[in-house]
Order: sequence, then C-alpha cells, then structure tokens
Amino acid sequence: GDSVTQMEGPVTLSEEAFLTINCTYTATGYPSLFWYVQYPGEGLQLLLKATKADDKGSNKGFEATYRKETTSFHLEKGSVQVSDSAVYFCALRSTGGYQKVTFGIGTKLQVIP
Amino acid sequence: NAGVMQNPRHLVRRRGQEARLRCSPMKGHSHVYWYRQLPEEGLKFMVYLQKENIIDESGMPKERFSAEFPKEGPSILRIQQVVRGDSAAYFCASSPPAGDVGELFFGEGSRLTVL
Repeated sequence: GDSVTQMEGPVTLSEEAFLTINCTYTATGYPSLFWYVQYPGEGLQLLLKATKADDKGSNKGFEATYRKETTSFHLEKGSVQVSDSAVYFCALRSTGGYQKVTFGIGTKLQVIP
Repeated sequence: NAGVMQNPRHLVRRRGQEARLRCSPMKGHSHVYWYRQLPEEGLKFMVYLQKENIIDESGMPKERFSAEFPKEGPSILRIQQVVRGDSAAYFCASSPPAGDVGELFFGEGSRLTVL
C-alpha cells in the first residue's frame, strides 16, 4: 500500500538557518503530494502541493519539488523564522481507488532566536 | 465560505461515558475523514465517509467507536464507554467529490479528555 516516510524530529534550528525536511513516498501511479503545517493547538493547514512530476510547490518561502525518479518531496526554506516553529506533515493522495490520503508521522520544527 | 467546523472544541468525559464529536464539512464537500492525534504523535487515520456510506473504516477500533455521515446534518464520531487512552485530539477533514486529487481541508479539532 501507499506510505510516506519523513524524517523524525524534533529539528531545532537557529533563526535564519536553512531548513530541509526529507520526505519519500511509496505509491502506485502518480499521486499528488502535499506538505501540511500544524501550529500549536490548531488543525492542519495546507502549506504547498504538487500534482505531477517535476512540479515545484511553493508558499511563504517554503518550497518542495516532486521528484518521481527518487520518489521524494523534500521541504526546504532558505531562512527560517521563529514563527515557522510548528509540526510539518508530508502527505500523498493516490490517484486510484478512492484517492486515499496517507500522512507521514510529522516533523516538529523549533526555531530559536 | 465557512471552513470545516468541528464541535465541541474541548470535551471532558469520565471513564465509561459517551463522547460525540461533530463535523460539518465545507460547503460542497461530500467526503469526510476522521483522524486521531495523540499527544506528541502523528495523525492516525480512522475512517473515511461519504454521505450515508462508510468507505474505509480500517483505522477505527472495532469496539466502542462508530462514525456516520447522514444525508442531512454533520458527520458524527461516537465513542462509547470512553477510557483514558481515548484522550486525544480528533480532527475532521473534508474534500470535494471523488475525482478531485486536491488537498483535504481540516477543522480545528476536538480535544477529548477522559478523567
């Protein structure tokens, strides 16, 4: 079945550091890929998405590229801020069946001033 | 266009009582997903429903838990005879009808505490 593997946290960075959160997936066909963010005490919000190979999703300085050859969708940001502290979830939505959504375990990011 | 609405936001129950969590999807959305999140853990899929149908309940415990999404009204996740281990945040998400491969839209969650 489909699966999403993302690096375990927590990840602690200093403000303005470069961020990478790795995400790889296993799925048949060509799933859509997503990054969601969850701030403390809140629900998940879509951060960015990509629906086909080589697409780059971007939002709020974050970006991720859909790499079919490496089955990856790594999240990056050039300069993190304290306000980026949150939990980040990688997810895929399959194109077959009922388009099931599968989430990774989430990576907690803490940015310190 | 209102987002996904969940209520109650916080619910406290004693062991053995029942908990009912409600979810109203976004307007035009006919698919609802329920997830559970334990403290400091990831999201665990519980059940996927369409109007009047349960499509996938593979993540839901066989006992004490049930879910429905009636033709009219919100989706309801029901937990009977709650135990302390049921304490968690329960998130509902909705999406448009089948054929769309876009994102899910999440509610703010219902946080259940079992005393």
